[in-house]
Amino acid sequence: DVKVTQSSRYLVKRTGEKVFLECVQDMDHENMFWYRQDPGLGLRLIYFSYDVKMKEKGDIPEGYSVSREKKERFSLILESASTNQTSMYLCASSFLSGVLYEQYFGPGTRLTVT
Amino acid sequence: AQKVTQAQTEISVVEKEDVTLDCVYETRDTTYYLFWYKQPPSGELVFLIRRNSFDEQNEISGRYSWNFQKSTSSFNFTITASQVVDSAVYFCALTRDSSYKLIFGSGTRLLVRP
Repeated sequence: DVKVTQSSRYLVKRTGEKVFLECVQDMDHENMFWYRQDPGLGLRLIYFSYDVKMKEKGDIPEGYSVSREKKERFSLILESASTNQTSMYLCASSFLSGVLYEQYFGPGTRLTVT
Repeated sequence: AQKVTQAQTEISVVEKEDVTLDCVYETRDTTYYLFWYKQPPSGELVFLIRRNSFDEQNEISGRYSWNFQKSTSSFNFTITASQVVDSAVYFCALTRDSSYKLIFGSGTRLLVRP
């Protein structure tokens, strides 16, 4: 079974703090993704990576950065957390192989910025 | 531009009722893929089905069935004889050919009452 794990289920941080969200997958997937989920908006893509050290911006990259130093690990960084970044963050991974793939998701991290 | 609309924010049914979740999409591409994911209370999205734009055959998997109609740009999901374990948020998603990017609808929360 594919397993995507996220470092924390719940996180509370203060405005201005630097926040690291970690994601690890164990299926040797090339692609990894970070989404945020907000009520009424569904999931929106923040960043994705198709290889180690490679990354591309998604729809809402502002205020975020990412790091992929190893194939299995993809980190989302909030450089200076703000209250409007309070949200559920979901990590996903998939194989690179064309469109014949599905994304496998982690359980999510619910981040509250106070 | 691509867009997915799930007009039903929340549906509540009694166990054993049939329920249909609506999904309407917009795309200018001729080749595209449609997905349904389930998000149970545990948080992680679970892949249910993928359908490509050239395959309009309806699909049935146990109590689940999907109706894809290109003429109305819809990809609806029906649960027959619903069960309490079907309670979850369900997302419809769209991607174009050769793209990693999933466009999600806002989700439909289904509550199945005993």
